[in-house]
Amino acid sequence: DQQVKQNSPSLSVQEGRISILNCDYTNSMFDYFLWYKKYPAEGPTFLISISSIKDKNEDGRFTVFLNKSAKHLSLHIVPSPPGDSAVYFCAASNNNAGNMLTFGGGTRLMVKP
Amino acid sequence: DTAVSQTPKYLVTQMGNDKSIKCEQNLGHDTMYWYKQDSKKFLKIMFSYNNKELIINETVPNRFSPKSPDKAHLNLHINSLELGDSAVYFCASSQDMTSGELFFGEGSRLTVL
Repeated sequence: DQQVKQNSPSLSVQEGRISILNCDYTNSMFDYFLWYKKYPAEGPTFLISISSIKDKNEDGRFTVFLNKSAKHLSLHIVPSPPGDSAVYFCAASNNNAGNMLTFGGGTRLMVKP
Repeated sequence: DTAVSQTPKYLVTQMGNDKSIKCEQNLGHDTMYWYKQDSKKFLKIMFSYNNKELIINETVPNRFSPKSPDKAHLNLHINSLELGDSAVYFCASSQDMTSGELFFGEGSRLTVL
């Protein structure tokens, strides 16, 4: 039972354009959401997070939007250089249930020069 | 200077053997984790420890036994290895149990033949 879903296994964008990665969740108890980036042969690295009390959080080129009614979040990357090509994982947690992150299956972003 | 390091990076072994993966973090974090990334690329939590105390044990067979000699180390020992244990195992740490920002190691790829 996947509680966090990333329905697009891959996404291809042109260098300099906006990349939009999507994530859906089913567990209404989730109250904290994160995005991680992973290069091959490396561990995931934290990018940005958002609490359920907000609907937007911005950090440099990265913005995360949260739509609680739709149980949907998205990560916007503007602009996208080729170095952003990686797998992006969405994750969610319920802070009352300890720090247990539930990850989506990832979306492979390919930024073409 | 690697923040979260795990050894070995690659491990190939026969079914029925016992093996260990070691993890160390030099970030001064209180909480450490083991995650398993299966063939479908999902990252699933196995265990978490806070200050050497087991916090989360997620439906993992008891062939898997974590050990935390101190809060900077969390080792994973696996008995009687099975084919289905083949995966990439990631160690991670966080400041404490409330921080969702996990710092991951590079992963240890276990192949059971």
